[in-house]
Amino acid sequence: EVQLVQSGAEMKKPGESLRISCEGSGYSFTNYWISWVRQMPGKGLEWMGRLDPTDSYANYNPSFQGHVSISTDKSISTAFLQWSSLKASDTAIYYCARHSPLAGFDYWGQGTLVTVS
Amino acid sequence: DIQMTQSPSSLSASVGDRVTITCRASQSISTYLNWYQQKPGKAPKLLIYAAFSLQSGVPSRFSGSGSGTDFTLTISSLQPEDFATYYCQQNDITPWTFGQGTKVEIK
Repeated sequence: EVQLVQSGAEMKKPGESLRISCEGSGYSFTNYWISWVRQMPGKGLEWMGRLDPTDSYANYNPSFQGHVSISTDKSISTAFLQWSSLKASDTAIYYCARHSPLAGFDYWGQGTLVTVS
Repeated sequence: DIQMTQSPSSLSASVGDRVTITCRASQSISTYLNWYQQKPGKAPKLLIYAAFSLQSGVPSRFSGSGSGTDFTLTISSLQPEDFATYYCQQNDITPWTFGQGTKVEIK
């Protein structure tokens, strides 16, 4: 069974750093890209960027570039989303999702709630 | 960025109704268009990919159509479990973008 399991909810202060994770199982991790999607409270979905676990190449939405970093450790089938300095406006649920190039996001993680206050 | 505009933003419908949601792209995206369903407190679920291909395990009452800039998601006979928010997404040109969502509520 394909699963993406994300790390637990986080509560942080502005200016702090954070890394959340997304572990894939039930499939070959390097055969699919991983994207990260933000959902602010009561709002819609925003694509943040995607990663190819094969070569760790990441492509960012310009709206998020420079503020977040996407990485992977393929030895543990895990992708990461990282901030070096959080803002209150980063408060949101963050989802990871797997997909093939130019295909829909077919499996999603359960979401990680990040609260910055 | 390619803007995705869904209409309506919300609708009220009854069980058994035929429901149609439209999505318009600000420029042509061929058929690089996906549809998702999201229920409160849950992750989105892929319903339709590449404009009209039904994702495995999704009921056949869901269908998608369109190409270029205009797309449609149709639910042929609304079921109680279909009350949710629906999003379109283009994955033709990065940054990939989502529509603002259409909330389907019980009449």
